[in-house]
Amino acid sequence: NAGVTQTPKFRVLKTGQSMTLLCAQDMNHEYMYWYRQDPGMGLRLIHYSVGEGTTAKGEVPDGYNVSRLKKQNFLLGLESAAPSQTSVYFCASSYSVAEQYFGPGTRLTVT
Amino acid sequence: AQSVTQPDIHITVSEGASLELRCNYSYGATPYLFWYVQSPGQGLQLLLKYFSGDTLVQGIKGFEAEFKRSQSSFNLRKPSVHWSDAAEYFCAVVHTGANNLFFGTGTRLTVIP
Repeated sequence: NAGVTQTPKFRVLKTGQSMTLLCAQDMNHEYMYWYRQDPGMGLRLIHYSVGEGTTAKGEVPDGYNVSRLKKQNFLLGLESAAPSQTSVYFCASSYSVAEQYFGPGTRLTVT
Repeated sequence: AQSVTQPDIHITVSEGASLELRCNYSYGATPYLFWYVQSPGQGLQLLLKYFSGDTLVQGIKGFEAEFKRSQSSFNLRKPSVHWSDAAEYFCAVVHTGANNLFFGTGTRLTVIP
């Protein structure tokens, strides 16, 4: 039982490049979330999903897109990376909105 | 709008000393309340949660928290801190019917020998 996994762990992008972050969970959770963590700002919700095929915007959705084609996977896409998107990205999943289980994070640097 | 405030950015305590980390929330009704811990380079781990009932809740690693409605607070406590407790601690809230957590900005705990 791996819990929540994220790939890749680290990535460096140049401004304007695109990439996709993958989150996978093996706990059969309905809810999945993408957060970004920046110094002094805690975690801020980017997008979330309440079930397969559904997505919704969170607090800071601009510049990101997501897809939940399979229940166990939640993808976060950056179509045209900007230096402001340099951050640590965390995925989480849960049975309900409470008690979220977090992945280990992806450290993204955009130069 | 709901918000969470953790007034202490950084706290330093001696090993064996007691600890209290503050958390205040602003929301009309009683939300669900959580404390998470993040060790360096790791994801977040749930320490404890409050939904209803007894206002003093016990969590993992010897932590407890007390919900005080009159003060809109949910402070985290530990009677005797261990060096391994050095980490960043986040308070989070969600109100019933909502789909996401709101996190505070975190308190970094340093433990000195």
